Amino acid sequence: GEDVEQSLFLSVREGDSSVINCTYTDSSSTYLYWYKQEPGAGLQLLTYIFSNMDMKQDQRLTVLLNKKDKHLSLRIADTQTGDSAIYFCAEITQTGANNLFFGTGTRLTVIP
Amino acid sequence: NAGVTQTPKFRVLKTGQSMTLLCAQDMNHEYMYWYRQDPGMGLRLIHYSVGEGTTAKGEVPDGYNVSRLKKQNFLLGLESAAPSQTSVYFCASSYPTGKGLDTEAFFGQGTRLTVV
Repeated sequence: GEDVEQSLFLSVREGDSSVINCTYTDSSSTYLYWYKQEPGAGLQLLTYIFSNMDMKQDQRLTVLLNKKDKHLSLRIADTQTGDSAIYFCAEITQTGANNLFFGTGTRLTVIP
Repeated sequence: NAGVTQTPKFRVLKTGQSMTLLCAQDMNHEYMYWYRQDPGMGLRLIHYSVGEGTTAKGEVPDGYNVSRLKKQNFLLGLESAAPSQTSVYFCASSYPTGKGLDTEAFFGQGTRLTVV
C-alpha cells in the first residue's frame, strides 16, 4: 500500500525558517497536502499542491515537490511560537473515495 | 456553520463493552471517513462512506462497524472494545471531486477513547 514518511520531531528558534520533509511512494498521487494539528484539536488544511507543480507559495508557507524523488517539503518562514503543532503530509490516491493517506506527522517545536 | 462535530469527546470503556461514536456534518458532503490516530503512526483510515447508505473498509477495519443511514451522519461502532482500540478517533468529510479539482477534508475535533 501507500507509504508516506516524515521525521517525527523538529525544533527551531523563533524567527528562523522551518523545513518539514515528507516522502511518499505512490507515483500516481494527484494532490499532496499539508495539514496542521494543534494540541487537542482536529486537523486543518494548511496548503496543497497539485502533482504537476513543483512549487507553491502562500504567504509564509512554501511547498516544494520533487516528483522524481517523491519528496515533498513545507517551509515556514519566520517561524512563530503559534506555529508549534504537528504537521501531517497526505496524498490523494487514485481510488474513488478521495482516500487521504497520511504521514506519521512531524511535531514542530518553536523555541522562543 | 458547525462543520464536523464528533460526540463524545472523551470516553473510557471496559474491555468487552460496546459503544458508538457519532459524527455529524452540516456541509452536505458526500464523503465521510473515520480515522484513528496513534502515536508515531499518523492517521489510519478505518472505514469510509461515499454516500448515504454506502460504506467501505479502509486500512484498519477489524473490530469496527459503521453505518451511514443519513447523509449528514456517520456512526462508528465498537461491538466489543479491546485495549488495542485505545486511540484518538477523527471523523472527516469531503465533497467528491473529479480529475483536476482539488478537495479538502474537514475534520472533527476528535474523540479520545481509552479501553481498560
